[in-house]
Order: sequence, then C-alpha cells, then structure tokens
Amino acid sequence: DVKVTQSSRYLVKRTGEKVFLECVQDMDHENMFWYRQDPGLGLRLIYFSYDVKMKEKGDIPEGYSVSREKKERFSLILESASTNQTSMYLCASSRLGFLSQHFGDGTRLSIL
Amino acid sequence: AQSVTQPDIHITVSEGASLELRCNYSYGATPYLFWYVQSPGQGLQLLLKYFSGDTLVQGIKGFEAEFKRSQSSFNLRKPSVHWSDAAEYFCAVGATGQGFSFIFGKGTRLLVKP
Repeated sequence: DVKVTQSSRYLVKRTGEKVFLECVQDMDHENMFWYRQDPGLGLRLIYFSYDVKMKEKGDIPEGYSVSREKKERFSLILESASTNQTSMYLCASSRLGFLSQHFGDGTRLSIL
Repeated sequence: AQSVTQPDIHITVSEGASLELRCNYSYGATPYLFWYVQSPGQGLQLLLKYFSGDTLVQGIKGFEAEFKRSQSSFNLRKPSVHWSDAAEYFCAVGATGQGFSFIFGKGTRLLVKP
C-alpha cells in the first residue's frame, strides 16, 4: 500500500518565521505535489515536482518554495510565514502525472 | 479555461437511502475524471477514476460514477448510504496537452441521518 507521510499533523508558527513542511512517500513515485485546502475553496495546487530537483509552479505559488533533493522527499517552504498562510496543507504523490494521486493525512498549520 | 463545479455544498441523506453527488466540468477534450473522499482529519482517498472506455465506472466502498459527455457530467452514486459514508467528496479533472492540468471541485459535504 502506498504511504505518504507528512511529518506533522499540527504546527503552530509565528509571523515572519521560515517554516518547513516535510513529505515522504515510500512507493518510488516520480511525481509529488503540495496543495493547500481552505473551506469553500477546495484544494489548490501550490507546487509540484516530476523528478528530483525539478519543480513546477501550481496555481498559487506566491509566498512558497519547494525542495526535492531526493526522490522520496518533497519539502514545502514558507519563506516568511504570514497569517494568510494558515491552512491545511496536503502532500500527494503519483506514478503518472496527476493521475491517481495518493495523499498524506495533511498538516494543519496555524500562523499567529 | 478548465473548471469543475460541484453544485451542492452540503447534502443530507438518511442511512439506507440512495445518493447522487453532482459534478460538472468544462474542458474542450475528454478529460480524466476522479472522485476523492476525505474523512474528517484525514487526507484524500481515491474512490474511482475515468480515463476512457465504459462510461460507468465502479469504485471502492460501493460507489460508482457515470461519465456523460453530452452533459459534461461525472456524477457519483451509491445505492444505499451507510453512516460511515459521511465525509467530504471532491470531484477532480485532469488533462494533458500543454503540460499537466489538474483541478479539484470545491467539495460536497455529505451528512447521513440515522
């Protein structure tokens, strides 16, 4: 069974901090994704990566960056956290592009 | 532009009743279509997907969905709902062409009455 693990379920940080959200998958998937989920807005794609050291912007990349140094790990970075980045963050991975993505359980991030 | 619409924000059904969740999409070609379910505090789980072929697709947990090209719809159905089906359901559309494109609908929250 595919497992996508997000390092924290809940995280509280302060405005201006640099925040790292980590995601690890164990199925050797080429593609990994970061979404944020907000009530009434559904899921919105922040960044995705189709290979090690490769990244593509999604629909809402502003204020975020990503890192993929190893195939199994995809990190989301909030360079200077702001209150409007308080949200649920979901990581996903897949073998074939966006098709059949497997999701982690999410990180609920609060920026105070 | 590609879009996905789930017209119902909330739906309440009685346990044992049938269920239909609506999904409409806008895209020029035949897209890849998905339904995901999210239980409280959890990530998303893939229920079923349509790529091509038979327009009636069977998924996990007794769900099915039918692709209707003429109506640009991909509605999710279940003949008899169980209390454990209470969750949020997301329709998603993917397409390839000029790169990848993938959009989620805003979700429908299902409440199940005993």
